[in-house]
Amino acid sequence: DTGVSQNPRHKITKRGQNVTFRCDPISEHNRLYWYRQTLGQGPEFLTYFQNEAQLEKSRLLSDRFSAERPKGSFSTLEIQRTEQGDSAMYLCASSPPPRTSGSYEQFFGPGTRLTVL
Amino acid sequence: AQSVTQLGSHVSVSEGALVLLRCNYSSSVPPYLFWYVQYPNQGLQLLLKYTSAATLVKGINGFEAEFKKSETSFHLTKPSAHMSDAAEYFCAVRGESNTGKLIFGQGTTLQVKP
Repeated sequence: DTGVSQNPRHKITKRGQNVTFRCDPISEHNRLYWYRQTLGQGPEFLTYFQNEAQLEKSRLLSDRFSAERPKGSFSTLEIQRTEQGDSAMYLCASSPPPRTSGSYEQFFGPGTRLTVL
Repeated sequence: AQSVTQLGSHVSVSEGALVLLRCNYSSSVPPYLFWYVQYPNQGLQLLLKYTSAATLVKGINGFEAEFKKSETSFHLTKPSAHMSDAAEYFCAVRGESNTGKLIFGQGTTLQVKP
């Protein structure tokens, strides 16, 4: 079991640049979530994929944010024209189908820490 | 709307003392509740979960939590703190939509003094 992996672990960028993060979920987990965590706060939900379909997006996900999950495997989260307020830890989590995990337990990756200068 | 409130952003205990981290939730549906732990610069690790079975839930590393519907609480306890328990702890409730998203509290930082 390799767990959920995220790359890169750290990203420093200048304001206005575009960044892309990748998440590789646990194999056979068809559910994938992105969360954002700012310093001293709990994670906040951004978006949810079931297989390749993006089924829910938070109001936190502005037009500058886009997420994809082609073929229902890995997922990418892109932020365009980054702003200093985007600085945060971006967490990815995956979950197996409810029939095997009726509690919707989520397994988290180590996160990507974004710093926008 | 669902929400989670963790009382006390910082809790400090001595090694060997009881750990009590408080969590209250709001939910219009029977809740699924979780406690996660986060060590510095790491992701979240599940400690335990409540899924409408036994109200006293045992988790990893000696932690347990009790679901009390009348108090809308799900407090986390451990009889004897270890130095390695120092971390940030998050309580979460499953969202009402069928996506299974989690709604987290703001977290409690546990400090363990020698």
